[in-house]
Amino acid sequence: GAVVSQHPSWVICKSGTSVKIECRSLDFQATTMFWYRQFPKQSLMLMATSNEGSKATYEQGVEKDKFLINHASLTLSTLTVTSAHPEDSSFYICSAQLPQGVNTIYFGEGSWLTVV
Amino acid sequence: RKEVEQDPGPFNVPEGATVAFNCTYSNSASQSFFWYRQDCRKEPKLLMSVYSSGNEDGRFTAQLNRASQYISLLIRDSKLSDSATYLCVVNGGGSTLGRLYFGRGTQLTVWP
Repeated sequence: GAVVSQHPSWVICKSGTSVKIECRSLDFQATTMFWYRQFPKQSLMLMATSNEGSKATYEQGVEKDKFLINHASLTLSTLTVTSAHPEDSSFYICSAQLPQGVNTIYFGEGSWLTVV
Repeated sequence: RKEVEQDPGPFNVPEGATVAFNCTYSNSASQSFFWYRQDCRKEPKLLMSVYSSGNEDGRFTAQLNRASQYISLLIRDSKLSDSATYLCVVNGGGSTLGRLYFGRGTQLTVWP
């Protein structure tokens, strides 16, 4: 079964609205989660590192005010795309690392966002 | 320069063929290396980790050359089910090992 659950799988929203994507670790506590974005035929790009109880660390070029990340608990991180525009349409995916080490990184199922 | 540069492909091979993918990475501080497989419109799944001594898992063999910052994946006796995009993945170095950088992926199609 899934170790990391992501929701929603698909979302369509109107331009200018905000969309929240949830990433949950199941049966384990994830102090750190990661958010990625993948455009069609492109690689996954790391957007930010989500740290429980503190501010997220954003990669260069990622607007922190547009992509709000909240990691309020050890099992949940959320990504909110604010004032979404069609160019934000993409595949968003989270991952979490189990405490056992680097070879135990699991990805959520991903969320397809379409902004119309 | 991108963190991870990967052989663009696509590769179209018959069943039973041997195919090799290559990848280079730019961050010499990277400590962990992986090959992931991604099926169309799905999340990536770990295929195998890559160790300095090279490692094999069934039909898959991975090699790492730290001096050249080069990683490879060899697939022997290709199966139809091997058709997917193969992602070369490197960790970002430092203490946050889960911070991964992905290559663009190499698409493989195995035909009957």
